[in-house]
Amino acid sequence: DGGITQSPKYLFRKEGQNVTLSCEQNLNHDAMYWYRQDPGQGLRLIYYSQIVNDFQKGDIAEGYSVSREKKESFPLTVTSAQKNPTAFYLCASSINVLGPQHFGDGTRLSIL
Amino acid sequence: SQQGEEDPQALSIQEGENATMNCSYKTSINNLQWYRQNSGRGLVHLILIRSNEREKHSGRLRVTLDTSKKSSSLLITASRAADTASYFCATGETSGSRLTFGEGTQLTVNP
Repeated sequence: DGGITQSPKYLFRKEGQNVTLSCEQNLNHDAMYWYRQDPGQGLRLIYYSQIVNDFQKGDIAEGYSVSREKKESFPLTVTSAQKNPTAFYLCASSINVLGPQHFGDGTRLSIL
Repeated sequence: SQQGEEDPQALSIQEGENATMNCSYKTSINNLQWYRQNSGRGLVHLILIRSNEREKHSGRLRVTLDTSKKSSSLLITASRAADTASYFCATGETSGSRLTFGEGTQLTVNP
């Protein structure tokens, strides 16, 4: 069964700590995305990647970093510079940048 | 950047009734998509309508697109309790390289 796997489902961050959220897809999609969703709100784009070894900042990239070394994987690091990281993080992928996106089931990040 | 805006923000109906949600946007688009999100889960793609299409159907879903008014509507007919979810529109701008999601409509279908 093809799909997107995000892990962990829940994550807790201590003050000053960097944490990394995992996103893996086996859909053979070129494009991958990271979104942040705050309670009762829509999705805001953090970073996206159209192809391996390339990525672009979205609307709220400050305090976050990504890498795209493999087509299947697009990990997101929430750095200590992100002062308000508590949110629901969603990863998605698509065949092309304007096509339908397939989403993982999210990682909920909280501050300890 | 905010492109699609859904209306209403929240909608509560009885099972069996129809639900209509609207989406307005500001720029020229290549396509417009609708997604559903159940509480605590990822989004699920429902339907894509291209800028040269006016109406599209998928099961109990009907989507219309009016590019002159820069608006779209999603109609869910004969709603069920299982349709309770948030619904988002997303626009793919003609000159863009990404989708932009709206704030969503929270639909509650009461049994």
